Amino acid sequence: KAGVTQTPRYLIKTRGQQVTLSCSPISGHRSVSWYQQTPGQGLQFLFEYFSETQRNKGNFPGRFSGRQFSNSRSEMNVSTLELGDSALYLCASSLTAGGGYNEQFFGPGTRLTVL
Amino acid sequence: GENVEQHPSTLSVQEGDSAVIKCTYSDSASNYFPWYKQELGKRPQLIIDIRSNVGEKKDQRIAVTLNKTAKHFSLHITETQPEDSAVYFCALTTVGGATNKLIFGTGTLLAVQP
Repeated sequence: KAGVTQTPRYLIKTRGQQVTLSCSPISGHRSVSWYQQTPGQGLQFLFEYFSETQRNKGNFPGRFSGRQFSNSRSEMNVSTLELGDSALYLCASSLTAGGGYNEQFFGPGTRLTVL
Repeated sequence: GENVEQHPSTLSVQEGDSAVIKCTYSDSASNYFPWYKQELGKRPQLIIDIRSNVGEKKDQRIAVTLNKTAKHFSLHITETQPEDSAVYFCALTTVGGATNKLIFGTGTLLAVQP
């Protein structure tokens, strides 16, 4: 079974631009969560989607948004990029949302650099 | 609110020694505590987890202990090997709600010296 995939793997953008990142979960997994990883802040929860609905959202500004499609693939969008948005963006998939001990499987991440 | 503190931030041991990483949390509703290993340039991978109804769990050279009263849990690695060198993250969540949100510790960089 293929693992979680993320595209693109690397991105370089300039301040003010917007970016869209994609995540394809493991086949059969319906929950996708997004995390931002930076050296200073560690892994911070962005949001979680299940069956095309946002189930939870972390403490990030409204410039960060996401969505999930009927095939469980998810995208996240960051508008008006700032230098501080430079980070590794990780998505994780699991079978369901809550309700049980569902292991989350991480993708390789998208390395975003904002210049 | 949800918070987890992880110590130490860096840990250097000699090959064959043991390593212990400790995390403390504040939310007594937390009931699932996974540990992730992230090698340089790689994705985080689950190495062991423990549920709140269990005090200890072992998997070969790795063990996790949980003290619900004191609200802390620890990762123990025995007979360390150079391939154990990585960043280790503790995490927690509350299972039973409608979310898989994980709260992560700040990570421990473990260096195993050959």
